[in-house]
Amino acid sequence: QKEVEQNSGPLSVPEGAIASLNCTYSDRGSQSFFWYRQYSGKSPELIMFIYSNGDKEDGRFTAQLNKASQYVSLLIRDSQPSDSATYLCAVNPRGSNYKLTFGKGTLLTVNP
Amino acid sequence: DTGVSQDPRHKITKRGQNVTFRCDPISEHNRLYWYRQTLGQGPEFLTYFQNEAQLEKSRLLSDRFSAERPKGSFSTLEIQRTEQGDSAMYLCASSEQGSTDTQYFGPGTRLTVL
Repeated sequence: QKEVEQNSGPLSVPEGAIASLNCTYSDRGSQSFFWYRQYSGKSPELIMFIYSNGDKEDGRFTAQLNKASQYVSLLIRDSQPSDSATYLCAVNPRGSNYKLTFGKGTLLTVNP
Repeated sequence: DTGVSQDPRHKITKRGQNVTFRCDPISEHNRLYWYRQTLGQGPEFLTYFQNEAQLEKSRLLSDRFSAERPKGSFSTLEIQRTEQGDSAMYLCASSEQGSTDTQYFGPGTRLTVL
C-alpha cells in the first residue's frame, strides 16, 4: 500500500464551483498534513497545513482531517482558472524526522 | 526576497560529469531538506539537516550523492558521475524548528543529463 494516495485526475470543474481534492495515508500515527499547489514547471507552494481532526478554513480553502479514517481533503470554493494546477498532499509520518511523504498529486483544471 | 533560493535554476550536463547545486534557506530556518521530483510524481525525500548536522539520508541517495551544510547556513548537493536517471527537479526546502515545522520550497534546480 502506498503511503500517501491521491487520485491523479484530471479533475475538471467549472469556474465558480467547489473543487474537492482527496488524500488517504497509511501511517495511522502521522502527525501533520499539508497541501501544496504546484503549477507546471514550478516548485510546490504551501496552501495549508492541518494537525487536528476537523476543518480548517483559510479564505477560499478548507482543509478537512479525519484521523480515524486516515483521510485528508482540500475544498476550494469559488474555483478560479488561476487555481488550475497540481495539488500535492504531504504527510509527516510518525518517527519520520520531519521529512514529508508526498502523494503523486491531483491535476485540477478550472474551466472558464 | 526572503524566500528559499536555489542555484542554478537549470543544469544540462553530460553523463559521467559531476554537478553541484546550492540552496540558501530562509535566514531564520535551522532545518533544511532536499527532495527530488520526476515528472508525474510527488517530491521524494533525499536528506535532512538540522543546523549543520545531516540527520537523515534516504536510501534513494546513492553513494554518488553527497550533501553538506557547513556552518548551518547554505547547503550544497553534489552528484558525481551523473547518469540519465538522475534527470529530475531537485528541490530544497527549509523550516523553522517549532510546533508547525512547515516546509517552504525553493524554485528548484532542473537537471538534465544527456
